[in-house]
Amino acid sequence: KQEVTQIPAALSVPEGENLVLNCSFTDSAIYNLQWFRQDPGKGLTSLLLIQSSQREQTSGRLNASLDKSSGRSTLYIAASQPGDSATYLCAVIGGQFYFGTGTSLTVIP
Amino acid sequence: GAVVSQHPSWVICKSGTSVKIECRSLDFQATTMFWYRQFPKQSLMLMATSNEGSKATYEQGVEKDKFLINHASLTLSTLTVTSAHPEDSSFYICSGNDRGQETQYFGPGTRLLVL
Repeated sequence: KQEVTQIPAALSVPEGENLVLNCSFTDSAIYNLQWFRQDPGKGLTSLLLIQSSQREQTSGRLNASLDKSSGRSTLYIAASQPGDSATYLCAVIGGQFYFGTGTSLTVIP
Repeated sequence: GAVVSQHPSWVICKSGTSVKIECRSLDFQATTMFWYRQFPKQSLMLMATSNEGSKATYEQGVEKDKFLINHASLTLSTLTVTSAHPEDSSFYICSGNDRGQETQYFGPGTRLLVL
């Protein structure tokens, strides 16, 4: 069964810093990988979707990479802002969505 | 992008009662809908997968007689929590697949509190 782990579980950084969130998965036979943002008590907002044939995707200050062979993905956030504070979830897609444990990010003004 | 709505967004009920949560795809036809549960500070766990017009497929450990899922149309799926207990208190999120696409579109979630 696919297991998805995210490190760190929580992260607190001062505004303006660049940061990296990590996602690892145990089964490399995946279709796609998707990063989401979840604000407290809210649903999911899709950030980036990386197809299995792709290495990375970029959207604004966000860049996500995928290395299927090593079972890893990273989400890079440039010039962090307080509005980026949220929980970030990665989901490995292989027949169904397997969600990671999440990283709770706090950006301090 | 495609929009999925859930109703209600919040529900508080007494132990032993049943609660129905609706999930609607507003601008696409969802041949498959998924129901997830999220406990505080935990990730989303898939409960069941439903295809329009057929019975839902439940994940291991999810009681199908307790969590009744109906997917009667391409735009509506319902989850009924029967005889709810405090341990059923959770955040329930649905999602839907647009026809032939891999992407799932997620609803805003329903928070259930059972007293």
